[in-house]
Amino acid sequence: DIVMTQAPLSVSVTPGESASISCRSSKSLLHSNGITYVYWYLQKPGKSPQLLIYRMSNLASGVPDRFSGSGSETDFTLKISRVEAEDVGIYYCGQLLENPLTFGSGTKLEIK
Amino acid sequence: EVQLVESGEGLVQPGSSMKLSCVASGFTFSNYGMNWIRQAPKKGLEWIALIYYDSSSKYYADSVKGRFTISRDNSKNTLYLEMNSLRSEDTAMYYCATFNYGFDYWGQGVMVTVSS
Repeated sequence: DIVMTQAPLSVSVTPGESASISCRSSKSLLHSNGITYVYWYLQKPGKSPQLLIYRMSNLASGVPDRFSGSGSETDFTLKISRVEAEDVGIYYCGQLLENPLTFGSGTKLEIK
Repeated sequence: EVQLVESGEGLVQPGSSMKLSCVASGFTFSNYGMNWIRQAPKKGLEWIALIYYDSSSKYYADSVKGRFTISRDNSKNTLYLEMNSLRSEDTAMYYCATFNYGFDYWGQGVMVTVSS
């Protein structure tokens, strides 16, 4: 199984500042078709998760452009620019390259 | 507006069975793969099953393989999860989710508690 490792476990950010969350996969997520199958989700308190970023760097519909995704074959970063209070929650990376589909353990973002 | 509404939540004893449903609306259900993803209390996300748009392929996590069955009825816009031989470690919130660019849309979730 592909293991997704996130860091840090939690991050505390001042509103208006930026935040970065890292995710590392145990295997390259770059497919031969050129697509990197890493995804980012946000689970706000008491809510269902929502898709933020798909295929490493594509913004999902309705997601503010303060969110961006980048990375290589095994190392990925979610960056949140100008953090707002509504960004609090747990961020998960995930891979869709192969079954079983797996998630990282999550990074909790809090506001200072 | 895309909506996924799960039902079937409850408390069951270990070893028993249970069936969850997820009714979809606001999109062409028969065009999309669907998943079940669960989250144990205070824990992270665990994908457990995927079914293709036409039911031609189904995949399961090892933790549920042989005990859970994913199915769908495209005429009813409904996704199902049949759960047998339930264990205490199956206690979780169960979400259905569409499968397009990623897990694009999620239901509100239903709580399944397995306890004697």
